[in-house]
Amino acid sequence: KNQVEQSPQSLIILEGKNCTLQCNYTVSPFSNLRWYKQDTGRGPVSLTIMTFSENTKSNGRYTATLDADTKQSSLHITASQLSDSASYICVVIPNYGGATNKLIFGTGTLLAVQP
Amino acid sequence: DTAVSQTPKYLVTQMGNDKSIKCEQNLGHDTMYWYKQDSKKFLKIMFSYNNKELIINETVPNRFSPKSPDKAHLNLHINSLELGDSAVYFCASSQGRGGRTDTQYFGPGTRLTVL
Repeated sequence: KNQVEQSPQSLIILEGKNCTLQCNYTVSPFSNLRWYKQDTGRGPVSLTIMTFSENTKSNGRYTATLDADTKQSSLHITASQLSDSASYICVVIPNYGGATNKLIFGTGTLLAVQP
Repeated sequence: DTAVSQTPKYLVTQMGNDKSIKCEQNLGHDTMYWYKQDSKKFLKIMFSYNNKELIINETVPNRFSPKSPDKAHLNLHINSLELGDSAVYFCASSQGRGGRTDTQYFGPGTRLTVL
């Protein structure tokens, strides 16, 4: 079982609507959690970074929340645009000590925004 | 200017061949990474170099050999290619060693197809 699970696997919404993507993780100890956006045929791009002490972080129409107690995070997209169509990947960085930490990726949620 | 670039973008080759993928970053970062994204879109780290020193080496077959001639370049050489090597390979870089809030910047990816 993957240490970072995302839901739903895919989602179709109409332009202008809001949506929320979910991420559950079992990584422990935990350092920080990130959301990435990956357009088709491109590399992932960082949207938000939250440390374990942060509850929410916004980046334009993207708002990420984190509940470190329940090990859950969500990414809320407001007033969706066609350009939001992409894969959204939840990434957890464990805190194993030291300065080098590996990113643990979820399998992503594929979002399609339709006109 | 492209921050993290990879060549080639597409690579189609026969089983048993040897091939290389090149990566360059012009961000002045100290750390570079190679990731493999399989058909299920799952990203997994393979290697990481900091100032030309190998700091992360996941369980990757010996057929994969990274080479870092300087901190701006990290090339990936693959010997005796197998069908299972078919995937998209992403290069990334970051200022630090992947610590708490160290952001990784990804290249556009190289789609490798082994026939």
